[in-house]
Amino acid sequence: NAGVMQNPRHLVRRRGQEARLRCSPMKGHSHVYWYRQLPEEGLKFMVYLQKENIIDESGMPKERFSAEFPKEGPSILRIQQVVRGDSAAYFCASSPPGRGLRRTEAFFGQGTRLTVV
Amino acid sequence: QQPVQSPQAVILREGEDAVINCSSSKALYSVHWYRQKHGEAPVFLMILLKGGEQKGHEKISASFNEKKQQSSLYLTASQLSYSGTYFCGTESQSYSGNTPLVFGKGTRLSVIA
Repeated sequence: NAGVMQNPRHLVRRRGQEARLRCSPMKGHSHVYWYRQLPEEGLKFMVYLQKENIIDESGMPKERFSAEFPKEGPSILRIQQVVRGDSAAYFCASSPPGRGLRRTEAFFGQGTRLTVV
Repeated sequence: QQPVQSPQAVILREGEDAVINCSSSKALYSVHWYRQKHGEAPVFLMILLKGGEQKGHEKISASFNEKKQQSSLYLTASQLSYSGTYFCGTESQSYSGNTPLVFGKGTRLSVIA
């Protein structure tokens, strides 16, 4: 059973370009979470999605950032018009269906390291 | 809303013990502990549910005091492989039943020979 798959592992974008980060959850998992991690800092929650629904986006910046988790295919975190401050590691985690994370762990992907030049 | 972890960093010699604390100002339903090595994904260690449960994982155990909204991670007889950054993730009580994990800033543990 493959784990949470994220791609690309490394992404370099020039300022003003768009970045698309993909996350395929573990088989059977219907909950996806995106986190951002700056060097030497903790994991900052961005958005929580279930299939075709955004459950909680309280951690998402109001502009330029969007996320989706379509019925078919991976979850996508999209950053438009990237700026240097967007450089970070972006981690995706997934968990099985049920009442969120109340009784089960979230499994993390290897992350996408975004560098904006 | 972010849980507070202490200490921020600790250095141990092999075989020594350590305690990492995590506290929240909000009523918690569960606490999750993860370890992350440099450049890698966080790896799940254990989950503690409301009810003051104490869980164990080899020589790593944890407790959850729901009255104080605190959790502690206990590492005994530390090994070199324990080095990494430890994060606690907390889930607050919610009527909806769907809340994401909010993580602390982490505790950097270094075990030296």
